[in-house]
Amino acid sequence: RKEVEQDPGPFNVPEGATVAFNCTYSNSASQSFFWYRQDCRKEPKLLMSVYSSGNEDGRFTAQLNRASQYISLLIRDSKLSDSATYLCVVNKGGSYIPTFGRGTSLIVHP
Amino acid sequence: SQTIHQWPATLVQPVGSPLSLECTVEGTSNPNLYWYRQAAGRGLQLLFYSVGIGQISSEVPQNLSASRPQDRQFILSSKKLLLSDSGFYLCAWIKGLGGTDTQYFGPGTRLTVL
Repeated sequence: RKEVEQDPGPFNVPEGATVAFNCTYSNSASQSFFWYRQDCRKEPKLLMSVYSSGNEDGRFTAQLNRASQYISLLIRDSKLSDSATYLCVVNKGGSYIPTFGRGTSLIVHP
Repeated sequence: SQTIHQWPATLVQPVGSPLSLECTVEGTSNPNLYWYRQAAGRGLQLLFYSVGIGQISSEVPQNLSASRPQDRQFILSSKKLLLSDSGFYLCAWIKGLGGTDTQYFGPGTRLTVL
């Protein structure tokens, strides 16, 4: 089993739709969780950290389920500009070597 | 604020030629530094990381090497490039001990080996 797994997609949704991605991780010692966004031919950029109680940033909501070892990202009211690859990142406690998922591709169409 | 620079932005090199990619970080001290490669349509592959000057850990065996001659400078090198070395090379940093473990990436170097 891969350390961090994501559905590669693509998720093809119309503008205004709500879309959710899940990411599962295998190491129960994982302590830090993040979602990054990567546009085509660009570097990954931090979208948001994921906190135990869940957190929201505008149209984006991230949640963590430690019991089932997955994190999720919910995007409400999708915009064309949300089209990108979303990377799930997990860091083991005490480690500064993040583990990246392969990414989930999102395409928002008019 | 912290910034990370990489150069060159793009590079086209013949097979067998040498390589040197440079990364520098500004606005922080003693960061952890990382080199990743991303092949077309693939995920990020960690190549090297460094927790301090002269300290390099290699994650995968290959014809690449890394060096950290200064605190905020990280260099990726090769003596002889292979076709399979083509890809998008990303440098990243984490504040490390005493700081958060959020990772920030440079703009990347797109390398094509012909």
